[in-house]
Amino acid sequence: DAGVTQSPTHLIKTRGQQVTLRCSPKSGHDTVSWYQQALGQGPQFIFQYYEEEERQRGNFPDRFSGHQFPNYSSELNVNALLLGDSALYLCASSLEGADTQYFGPGTRLTVL
Amino acid sequence: KNQVEQSPQSLIILEGKNCTLQCNYTVSPFSNLRWYKQDTGRGPVSLTIMTFSENTKSNGRYTATLDADTKQSSLHITASQLSDSASYICVVIPSGYGGATNKLIFGTGTLLAVQP
Repeated sequence: DAGVTQSPTHLIKTRGQQVTLRCSPKSGHDTVSWYQQALGQGPQFIFQYYEEEERQRGNFPDRFSGHQFPNYSSELNVNALLLGDSALYLCASSLEGADTQYFGPGTRLTVL
Repeated sequence: KNQVEQSPQSLIILEGKNCTLQCNYTVSPFSNLRWYKQDTGRGPVSLTIMTFSENTKSNGRYTATLDADTKQSSLHITASQLSDSASYICVVIPSGYGGATNKLIFGTGTLLAVQP
């Protein structure tokens, strides 16, 4: 039973560029949440997807957008990258309505 | 205002020793409190989950305690191993959670280093 997977593992971009991160949820899970974790900080909720729609959103600008596909996998897109976007981006999956989430290994994004 | 505060910020112990990490929270009412272990550059992995009515929960060498009156939780690690080196994050889930992810309140974590 595959757990949550994310790609790529690491990514280096320059300011102003755009980036797409990918997540495949744990088998059987239908809900995907994205988090941003700056160095030395706890994860900050970005948004959650269920049934291919953004259901909840944290305090992040519109530069952060996402998508969920019919197979429940998800993408996180960040436009006009800033230096402050450098962080570990975590994806977590769960069953709809459940409060137990399983985290993926994360994607380390560095913006130069 | 940070509603979940952890201490110490970082900790270094020798292999085989015990240690205790603290989590103080102001979230009220709350549904449950969790401790996660996060290896460097990896995603968090759940260690323990306690409801507000539970006082203690163990997972191998990890034991979490909860005092809902003082709004404090601790994570005790016994006979530490090199593989325990990681960040430990306390997460509080307010009552009425029901899948509302943006209500998860994360602490900033305690970075533990176990030295041989």
